[in-house]
Amino acid sequence: DAGVIQSPRHEVTEMGQEVTLRCKPISGHDYLFWYRQTMMRGLELLIYFNNNVPIDDSGMPEDRFSAKMPNASFSTLKIQPSEPRDSAVYFCASSTAPNYGYTFGSGTRLTVV
Amino acid sequence: AQSVTQLDSQVPVFEEAPVELRCNYSSSVSVYLFWYVQYPNQGLQLLLKYLSGSTLVKGINGFEAEFNKSQTSFHLRKPSVHISDTAEYFCAVSGGGYQKVTFGTGTKLQVIP
Repeated sequence: DAGVIQSPRHEVTEMGQEVTLRCKPISGHDYLFWYRQTMMRGLELLIYFNNNVPIDDSGMPEDRFSAKMPNASFSTLKIQPSEPRDSAVYFCASSTAPNYGYTFGSGTRLTVV
Repeated sequence: AQSVTQLDSQVPVFEEAPVELRCNYSSSVSVYLFWYVQYPNQGLQLLLKYLSGSTLVKGINGFEAEFNKSQTSFHLRKPSVHISDTAEYFCAVSGGGYQKVTFGTGTKLQVIP
């Protein structure tokens, strides 16, 4: 298995632009998680899905953030409009259960200028 | 509710010396415990996990951890570190049922040649 695949690896965008991050989980993993990592706040859970349905989105910082999972093999995290304070590394992870070990992707480093 | 505390934000250690990274947790139910490693510019990788059974858990790269229920600890140890062990290490906890994993704030291990 290729693991959790995220794209792009790096994204530089201007303030106000829309940004879309993509994730392909491991086949057979029913849970998908989106995390954000910054020096100041560490690792934050933004949202997680079970069988393509959002279960907990309490970590989504603002309405500018949205996430979808149209099928078992694909999820997106969208920021519209983007702001400099959204600059961070965004990770996607998948698992067979929420209380079990997670497999993380390599992350997307987002820079908003 | 569950939480995890990593008291040491940074741990410097000389190459070939032993190391212990501390982790304490709190949980109202039975726990699953994890250690993850994050190398620079990479995602988190599962190092080892405790689900049940033997309290001494062995992981990859020569690391091991011991579950101590009375002290609510899950410290990570390695008898002799290598330069390549320089990374950030995250302790994590989850409870029974379908509670999601809670991550600690991380400990940066710096191996000095």
